[in-house]
Amino acid sequence: NAGVMQNPRHLVRRRGQEARLRCSPMKGHSHVYWYRQLPEEGLKFMVYLQKENIIDESGMPKERFSAEFPKEGPSILRIQQVVRGDSAAYFCASSPGPRNEQYFGPGTRLTVT
Amino acid sequence: GQQLNQSPQSMFIQEGEDVSMNCTSSSIFNTWLWYKQDPGEGPVLLIALYKAGELTSNGRLTAQFGITRKDSFLNISASIPSDVGIYFCAGLPGYALNFGKGTSLLVTP
Repeated sequence: NAGVMQNPRHLVRRRGQEARLRCSPMKGHSHVYWYRQLPEEGLKFMVYLQKENIIDESGMPKERFSAEFPKEGPSILRIQQVVRGDSAAYFCASSPGPRNEQYFGPGTRLTVT
Repeated sequence: GQQLNQSPQSMFIQEGEDVSMNCTSSSIFNTWLWYKQDPGEGPVLLIALYKAGELTSNGRLTAQFGITRKDSFLNISASIPSDVGIYFCAGLPGYALNFGKGTSLLVTP
């Protein structure tokens, strides 16, 4: 049973470019969460999605960041016009239900030059 | 989200020793989770706790859900070198996990 998959594992972008991060949840999971981790810090919640719906995006910056989880295909976290402060590890997690334990993917490490 | 206070920040122990770490919050949680993260990887779920007072084991790991629902403890017995990593507690008030800042564990042979 494959775990949560994320790609790419590493992404380098120049300031002003777009970053697109992908997440495929565990089989049978329809709840997806995105978290951001800065060096020496714990993970911070960004957004919670179910298929085709954003349930809670309270942790996501209002500008430049967006997320989707289409009916078919992976969840996408999109960061437009990246800045150096966006450099971080971005983790996706999935769960079978809204208040169950969450399982994490290996993360995408974004570096903005 | 609610910031959890996790301690100690780091531990440097010898192989075979037991380890204890804990997490406290000013808010009540319905679920406590403990994760381990290796460098360059995502957090791996170790133990999930769902009820106040619950004590759960996973091999050499034992975790407890505090009776006040505001704290949790993780113990590792007879540590081995592969226990090295960062251990995070996480509280689940609803659906968004609130994480502690982690306990970095180093084990010398």
